[in-house]
Amino acid sequence: GAGVSQSPSNKVTEKGKDVELRCDPISGHTALYWYRQSLGQGLEFLIYFQGNSAPDKSGLPSDRFSAERTGGSVSTLTIQRTQQEDSAVYLCASSATSESYNEQFFGPGTRLTVL
Amino acid sequence: AQSVTQLDSQVPVFEEAPVELRCNYSSSVSVYLFWYVQYPNQGLQLLLKYLSGSTLVESINGFEAEFNKSQTSFHLRKPSVHISDTAEYFCAVWGGSEKLVFGKGTKLTVNP
Repeated sequence: GAGVSQSPSNKVTEKGKDVELRCDPISGHTALYWYRQSLGQGLEFLIYFQGNSAPDKSGLPSDRFSAERTGGSVSTLTIQRTQQEDSAVYLCASSATSESYNEQFFGPGTRLTVL
Repeated sequence: AQSVTQLDSQVPVFEEAPVELRCNYSSSVSVYLFWYVQYPNQGLQLLLKYLSGSTLVESINGFEAEFNKSQTSFHLRKPSVHISDTAEYFCAVWGGSEKLVFGKGTKLTVNP
């Protein structure tokens, strides 16, 4: 595809369940980022991947959050034992590289609602 | 570390009025500055950016922003807004690390 895609677009889950959110970056982009957009909080950095380097996990809010990137392309963000405060829009972005400035292109997001 | 402050969480204006969305940043290093726009139910799109050179940058839809190093500001302006400009606007800074640091956003509502 031409842009970053994310699935599902909406996810409603019950408190305590695990969820997986998927991101397909732009083909050829080596850098991939996850952000969380909560109401009134702006965008919060979660994690980023650059090529085969170890990911920067410094933004993950708790050990219930994890992410992986398989084959340097698709990424999955997993939230275990979801809590109501996890409700937010999760945005994925990719860029050609993170080693110097390159524009980040954002996907449409996954809206997660934890009941 | 960098931080971004968007001073107004909501800005209501009437159509054809001018608007200014304020953004201030703090950083100990040179930065690049950005404005992103998020239209209702859509993802973020880059509106304009300052990397170097002229401190006044413009977008294709009439917005402009001026980088002011002494005031550490990057305010977004448009002389005459349209209903279609209703969106949330995010200021962001990139300071040489890998991630963008965003402000909390300003919701611009243009009323007829």
